[in-house]
Amino acid sequence: RKEVEQDPGPFNVPEGATVAFNCTYSNSASQSFFWYRQDCRKEPKLLMSVYSSGNEDGRFTAQLNRASQYISLLIRDSKLSDSATYLCVVNSRGGSYIPTFGRGTSLIVHP
Amino acid sequence: EAGVTQSPTHLIKTRGQQATLRCSPISGHTSVYWYQQALGLGLQFLLWYDEGEERNRGNFPPRFSGRQFPNYSSELNVNALELEDSALYLCASSFSRDNEQFFGPGTRLTVL
Repeated sequence: RKEVEQDPGPFNVPEGATVAFNCTYSNSASQSFFWYRQDCRKEPKLLMSVYSSGNEDGRFTAQLNRASQYISLLIRDSKLSDSATYLCVVNSRGGSYIPTFGRGTSLIVHP
Repeated sequence: EAGVTQSPTHLIKTRGQQATLRCSPISGHTSVYWYQQALGLGLQFLLWYDEGEERNRGNFPPRFSGRQFPNYSSELNVNALELEDSALYLCASSFSRDNEQFFGPGTRLTVL
């Protein structure tokens, strides 16, 4: 099993739709979690951190489920500009600290 | 506040040559990370530097190396370039290892 897994998609949704992505991780000692968005041939940009209690930033909501070892990202009222690849990142505790990125989930929002 | 900067933007080399890529972190950040992103693939962790020391490296051969300078800037060296080294090389910095990382625009390396 890969350390961090994401459904590559693409998720093809109309404007205004609600869409959710999941990211599963295998290391139970994982400590911190983030969502990034990456536009084509650009660098990843931080979207939001993921806290145990869940957090919301405008149309975006991130949640962490430690028992089932996954994080989620919910996008409400999708905009054309939300079209991008969404990457999850999992940082694990311990001596062999390596930040691990998922391969990303592609979102296409169409008119 | 200035973000993470990388140079050069593009680099073209031939097989067997050596490449040097540079990165300046956000002011106050002591951790610098290097990643490789080949076309259509995910980010692969290369190296992590903190306080001038190499803290960890990913599953890459020793010809990928680097260092971090006293001002926390960093350089990545790739020796004996191979065609498959062609990729976008991204540098990121963070305040500490558990904090969010901020990425530079990357250096696109092409090996001919």
